[in-house]
Amino acid sequence: GENVEQHPSTLSVQEGDSAVIKCTYSDSASNYFPWYKQELGKGPQLIIDIRSNVGEKKDQRIAVTLNKTAKHFSLHITETQPEDSAVYFCAAWMNKFYFGSGTKLNVKP
Amino acid sequence: GAGVSQSPSNKVTEKGKDVELRCDPISGHTALYWYRQSLGQGLEFLIYFQGNSAPDKSGLPSDRFSAERTGGSVSTLTIQRTQQEDSAVYLCASSLAGSGSGTDTQYFGPGTRLTVL
Repeated sequence: GENVEQHPSTLSVQEGDSAVIKCTYSDSASNYFPWYKQELGKGPQLIIDIRSNVGEKKDQRIAVTLNKTAKHFSLHITETQPEDSAVYFCAAWMNKFYFGSGTKLNVKP
Repeated sequence: GAGVSQSPSNKVTEKGKDVELRCDPISGHTALYWYRQSLGQGLEFLIYFQGNSAPDKSGLPSDRFSAERTGGSVSTLTIQRTQQEDSAVYLCASSLAGSGSGTDTQYFGPGTRLTVL
């Protein structure tokens, strides 16, 4: 089956700086890659996604890039704010969703 | 509108007891997913429902785990003879069509935190 690895496991940035979280996947047939944000005590919430026929997608301060050849995709958050602090999960779809292990992002004011 | 709801929010049980976890998906969503999230870990897929049928049960860890969905809506996840390693947050998600492409947005519930003593 698919294997998704996510790095780093924790990330601390200063407010206003950028944050980048990276994921790799193993099955080249995976074709859909969502990113989720999970706040304490809540379920994950979709923040952005990308399909395999697209290399980059942007939504305000959030962007995702996909490199199909290298089989990795990344989440980019610019101008980080304290409310961006949460755990972020990547996932890949290959008949079902396979999730990364999560990145705890801490944005220091 | 109402999102995905789960009950109970917290459950503490003794080893060996059976537990039932409930998920109410968003009205009209045909696909329903159960995941398990252990402390500091990612989400582990358990089972997927399309309507009332479960085309993919491959993630259920053992035969102590079972799930059903009736009326294409509410789902229950049952864990029999609970063990300490079953302690985790159990998350439910639903999506509109769940055609199998995975491209329908999944909406997650808040989860049930299960603690087995």
